[in-house]
Amino acid sequence: QSALTQPASVSGSPGQSITISCTGTSSDVGGYNLVSWYQQHPGKAPKLMIYEGSKRPSGLSNRFSGSKSGNTASLTISGLQAEDEADYYCCSYAGRNTLIFGGGTKLTVL
Amino acid sequence: EVQLVESGGGLVKPGGSLRLSCAASGFTFSNAWMSWVRQAPGKGLEWVDRIKSKTDGGTTDYAAPVKGRFTISRDDSKNTLYLQMNSLKTEDTAVYYCTTNMKGGRNAFDIWGQGTMVTVSS
Repeated sequence: QSALTQPASVSGSPGQSITISCTGTSSDVGGYNLVSWYQQHPGKAPKLMIYEGSKRPSGLSNRFSGSKSGNTASLTISGLQAEDEADYYCCSYAGRNTLIFGGGTKLTVL
Repeated sequence: EVQLVESGGGLVKPGGSLRLSCAASGFTFSNAWMSWVRQAPGKGLEWVDRIKSKTDGGTTDYAAPVKGRFTISRDDSKNTLYLQMNSLKTEDTAVYYCTTNMKGGRNAFDIWGQGTMVTVSS
């Protein structure tokens, strides 16, 4: 099973909003409302940002939001800040008790 | 404090074996569904496997690339998760993270260890 498709990189200026897409199939992203998003800074473990498509963990900034349309999930970061610069990964339940990650997107804050 | 601490990584030759451990603390380990996620150098994250809690059946599931070679297990009396890796290939070289969910739903990971590096090379 191939990894979910994410853009290799996105960029934005401080204060702007950006959206990262995550495209799968009807067997994963489109078939379940079980997409999660992770932020990873260099040399660090990933951090959960969104789960079950659009839910934020307690204490996480509401600048981060998730959505889905068909086989594509999206992570939107509003009011971009320098500390948002990191790699972002989507992950979806893929049936038969398996999970699949996206290839990752490098976010650059200009 | 909720914590996962991996150990057991190292250098191993192709075809060799290695066992990773993950010591859990700060939460009820026996109730947790535990997973391993790996990341090859400079690459993205890859889900490896998962073991459910014994109350949920204790069943295991694996990603296709490791099925038949890797075995995930748990010892609830020791609050420890294991990953037995056999018939290792160079493409198994990666940082291996132990991870679980506490408040993020069963199919998301909100608790991560620091990772342990596994290098498969001759």
